[in-house]
Amino acid sequence: DGGITQSPKYLFRKEGQNVTLSCEQNLNHDAMYWYRQDPGQGLRLIYYSQIVNDFQKGDIAEGYSVSREKKESFPLTVTSAQKNPTAFYLCASTPLTGPGHYGYTFGSGTRLTVV
Amino acid sequence: AQSVAQPEDQVNVAEGNPLTVKCTYSVSGNPYLFWYVQYPNRGLQFLLKYITGDNLVKGSYGFEAEFNKSQTSFHLKKPSALVSDSALYFCAVRALNSGNTPLVFGKGTRLSVIA
Repeated sequence: DGGITQSPKYLFRKEGQNVTLSCEQNLNHDAMYWYRQDPGQGLRLIYYSQIVNDFQKGDIAEGYSVSREKKESFPLTVTSAQKNPTAFYLCASTPLTGPGHYGYTFGSGTRLTVV
Repeated sequence: AQSVAQPEDQVNVAEGNPLTVKCTYSVSGNPYLFWYVQYPNRGLQFLLKYITGDNLVKGSYGFEAEFNKSQTSFHLKKPSALVSDSALYFCAVRALNSGNTPLVFGKGTRLSVIA
């Protein structure tokens, strides 16, 4: 089945550590996105990529980094510079060409907790 | 700039009664509009979208939404609520002629259907 897979489902980070969240899709989608979800704040865009080896900052990129070396993969690194990383992280993808106008397909999310 | 407002943090409705979850938007030009649903600790699932055409859009699980250009609204509705409809609902928007800019999401409305 085609889909978008996020791993791990739960992740614990110690103070000062960098951690990487995985996002893989086998939908042949062009664009991929990372959102952060906090209670009462909805979804806030961290980074997005519309083509391999290119990505753009979203509204809250500080303390995060990404790469897009393959079309299928868009990992997110939460660095030690992110002072409040505890949140639910969602990855999404969408095609950018074709006859339709598409919404996003979302992964199941990764819950990151600082311990 | 694009924005979405979901004026109600929480909507409570009795099972079998009609439900409405409100959404208003702001974009330059014509909008693409979407509704998504999220169950606990899961990603977002697509419900329905408005691109062009009929103002009443029908989607998954018996949901529908009415596009009102003069009021810049896209309220989600269902004639008869089920307990299983209890979830977090997000409205999202993108301008029709904005290229491939990312969707902007509202803060979400928690729907609670009481048996």
